[in-house]
Amino acid sequence: AQSVTQPDIHITVSEGASLELRCNYSYGATPYLFWYVQSPGQGLQLLLKYFSGDTLVQGIKGFEAEFKRSQSSFNLRKPSVHWSDAAEYFCAVGADYKLSFGAGTTVTVRA
Amino acid sequence: EPEVTQTPSHQVTQMGQEVILRCVPISNHLYFYWYRQILGQKVEFLVSFYNNEISEKSEIFDDQFSVERPDGSNFTLKIRSTKLEDSAMYFCASSEGAGHQHFGDGTRLSIL
Repeated sequence: AQSVTQPDIHITVSEGASLELRCNYSYGATPYLFWYVQSPGQGLQLLLKYFSGDTLVQGIKGFEAEFKRSQSSFNLRKPSVHWSDAAEYFCAVGADYKLSFGAGTTVTVRA
Repeated sequence: EPEVTQTPSHQVTQMGQEVILRCVPISNHLYFYWYRQILGQKVEFLVSFYNNEISEKSEIFDDQFSVERPDGSNFTLKIRSTKLEDSAMYFCASSEGAGHQHFGDGTRLSIL
């Protein structure tokens, strides 16, 4: 069975600083990997996804993520954070038509 | 961009009562899902549905839960006799295939 670990429960970053959110997955085959963002009281919005090919994927809102098979990781990055990026971020692995989510990382942006 | 829509946005129900959560998936999608998120916890898979039958369900999805696609557009989740621990945000999602699942904004279910 697949699983996802997000080691950081909460990250605080200054506006304009870079952000990296960690994600490690466990799955026996090549996974489908996703990052979703959730603002308070809102649904899940897809930031980016990896299915195959180029291991560096670009997403919306200036986010990117890199798939590293050797490390079973799919870390999310943004070079310069905006106040509107404050939200909860979920990494997910997809297999057999279901998604398994990590526990999420809450990002706080300070001025 | 097409959206998954869920109604109601908030449902308050007495313990022991039946509740039906409604979803309208994206029209050309073939796969439908329900997930739930208990406050402060991770999003958990409940059930997937394809070709008018359940394709996979989690341990959470016991006999109290059922899903139905009563017509060509709606996808519902029914909880027969609600318990306090059913209080959560319930998300519906749909997809064309094994790729990107599109999520609705969720229904917050509060059991009193």
